[in-house]
Amino acid sequence: EIVMTQSPATLSVSPGDRATLSCRASQSVGTNLAWYQQRPGQAPRLLIYGASTRATGIPARFSGSGFGTEFTLTVSSLQSEDFAVYYCQQYNDWPPWTFGPGTKVEIK
Amino acid sequence: EVQLVESGGTLVQPGGSLTLSCVASGFNFNGHGMHWVRQAPGKGLEWIAYLSRSSSPIHYADSVKGRFTISRDNANNLVFLRMSGLRVEDTGVYFCLRWFWFPGESTGPFDHWGQGTLVTVSS
Repeated sequence: EIVMTQSPATLSVSPGDRATLSCRASQSVGTNLAWYQQRPGQAPRLLIYGASTRATGIPARFSGSGFGTEFTLTVSSLQSEDFAVYYCQQYNDWPPWTFGPGTKVEIK
Repeated sequence: EVQLVESGGTLVQPGGSLTLSCVASGFNFNGHGMHWVRQAPGKGLEWIAYLSRSSSPIHYADSVKGRFTISRDNANNLVFLRMSGLRVEDTGVYFCLRWFWFPGESTGPFDHWGQGTLVTVSS
């Protein structure tokens, strides 16, 4: 089973600032890595797949990068609606499909 | 518009049984594998079950294997999760998800999620 880890657990950021979130896989997943955003009380929604491709309707301020075991999600200028929990997930080697524990982005 | 709507969540006693349903609309349901993912209160996401377009293969997380059964009704665009031997630790919101990948690919992300249905296991 591929274990996903994320850092930091919580990120305190001011609106308009840049946020950088990290995700690591216990073994290579190539670019078969997705990022999801979950706002309070809502279902997660797909932000990024293929490590760097934005899903339909996702603003350009969200970008993803990485390959193999190290990945990054960057939000270039945080808006109020971006304060949420972000999960990475690998879909390279399954079952099981595995998620990271999440990074909570909170207002500083 | 793709929509996934779960139902069936409720309060159930430990050891009890429950069946969750998910009705899909807005896409070719027969063309997609479907998953269930759950989230315990205040916790992260845990994948628990998958079945393919034709209902074979089927995969389960070790935490639910032997207790949960996933199935589908392609004629009515439905996915089910039959849960038995429920434990307190099965409490959480259960999400129905569509699995998507591009033609020529063999894997992909979960591109649409339902809003979830809450299962509470408690005496």
